[in-house]
Amino acid sequence: GAGVSQSPSNKVTEKGKDVELRCDPISGHTALYWYRQSLGQGLEFLIYFQGNSAPDKSGLPSDRFSAERTGGSVSTLTIQRTQQEDSAVYLCASSLGGINSPLHFGNGTRLTVT
Amino acid sequence: KNEVEQSPQNLTAQEGEFITINCSYSVGISALHWLQQHPGGGIVSLFMLSSGKKKHGRLIATINIQEKHSSLHITASHPRDSAVYICAVRWGGATNKLIFGTGTLLAVQP
Repeated sequence: GAGVSQSPSNKVTEKGKDVELRCDPISGHTALYWYRQSLGQGLEFLIYFQGNSAPDKSGLPSDRFSAERTGGSVSTLTIQRTQQEDSAVYLCASSLGGINSPLHFGNGTRLTVT
Repeated sequence: KNEVEQSPQNLTAQEGEFITINCSYSVGISALHWLQQHPGGGIVSLFMLSSGKKKHGRLIATINIQEKHSSLHITASHPRDSAVYICAVRWGGATNKLIFGTGTLLAVQP
């Protein structure tokens, strides 16, 4: 597709379960970012990939959160033992990678932990 | 104090008015983004600035690197401009980490 694709668009899970969120960036985009937006809150940086490596993981809130990127393309964000405070919209963005490259956002995955 | 501050937090305008949203930041940056998020919708990148001024249609963005300040202007505002406008700075450090402002909720009334 032409844009950043995220799946699923909505996910409801029970507290304690693991979830996996997927991001397909725009083809050729080497930089990939994960953010989250909790209800009524601003955007929060989680992790940044350049190619398959993650130079900045400083935003991951706990060791229950992990992310990987394979083949310089698809990325998955995994949340283990989900908690209610993990409920948020998880957004992915990609760019060509240069400091002057604009960001292209996906529509996000709305995660609800019950 | 947040590293990126936006003002106002909420703004209501009448259709046709000239609108200004401000962003101030306290860290060294390599670029600044203005983003738009419609209610229930995705995020769209409006501008990316590292200096000067950019214009796209009725939208104008300016940045003053020395003063660490940027403004987003909307001329001849329209109800379809109603959205949250978010300022984000690309940190000037070793990574491309973005630091976001809390957003400005704009409502343009007909």
